[in-house]
Amino acid sequence: DVKVTQSSRYLVKRTGEKVFLECVQDMDHENMFWYRQDPGLGLRLIYFSYDVKMKEKGDIPEGYSVSREKKERFSLILESASTNQTSMYLCASSFNRGGADTQYFGPGTRLTVL
Amino acid sequence: AQSVTQPDIHITVSEGASLELRCNYSYGATPYLFWYVQSPGQGLQLLLKYFSGDTLVQGIKGFEAEFKRSQSSFNLRKPSVHWSDAAEYFCAVAARGSARQLTFGSGTQLTVLP
Repeated sequence: DVKVTQSSRYLVKRTGEKVFLECVQDMDHENMFWYRQDPGLGLRLIYFSYDVKMKEKGDIPEGYSVSREKKERFSLILESASTNQTSMYLCASSFNRGGADTQYFGPGTRLTVL
Repeated sequence: AQSVTQPDIHITVSEGASLELRCNYSYGATPYLFWYVQSPGQGLQLLLKYFSGDTLVQGIKGFEAEFKRSQSSFNLRKPSVHWSDAAEYFCAVAARGSARQLTFGSGTQLTVLP
């Protein structure tokens, strides 16, 4: 069965803290993605990776960075958290078969920055 | 760049009634099209997808969607809604070619009345 897990369901941090969100997939997928979800805005792509140590900016990368040291793990980093980064963060993964393969999503991490 | 519009923010239907959720996309050619569902507190689950071929696509949980090139639409339908269908529904589009990224609509929240 397909599985994408995220390290925390709920997280509360203070402004200025460094925050790590971890995502692990067990499907040997090449592609991994980080989205943030806000009411009325749908999902917006922050960063994605199509191979180990590779990363590409999505639509809203400002204030975020990512790390992919192993194929199964993709980390989202907030270097200095701010209140406008309070949101739901969703990780996804997919095969890279040359077309738009199905993305499988984790349960999400609801981050609150105080 | 591609874009997706879901014109209905919130729809309410009675259990047993039929359902149609609207999705319009903007893209210069035929894109890949997806419908995802998100139950409260959960990640996104794929309902169905269109890549090519038959324009009427069958998905899980009794849902179907029809791709209409002339109207740039990919509306989701279900003939008889169940209370468990209450959720948020997202339409997404990916451009052909470098098709790893999805662009999501803002979502439609479905309420089902008993």
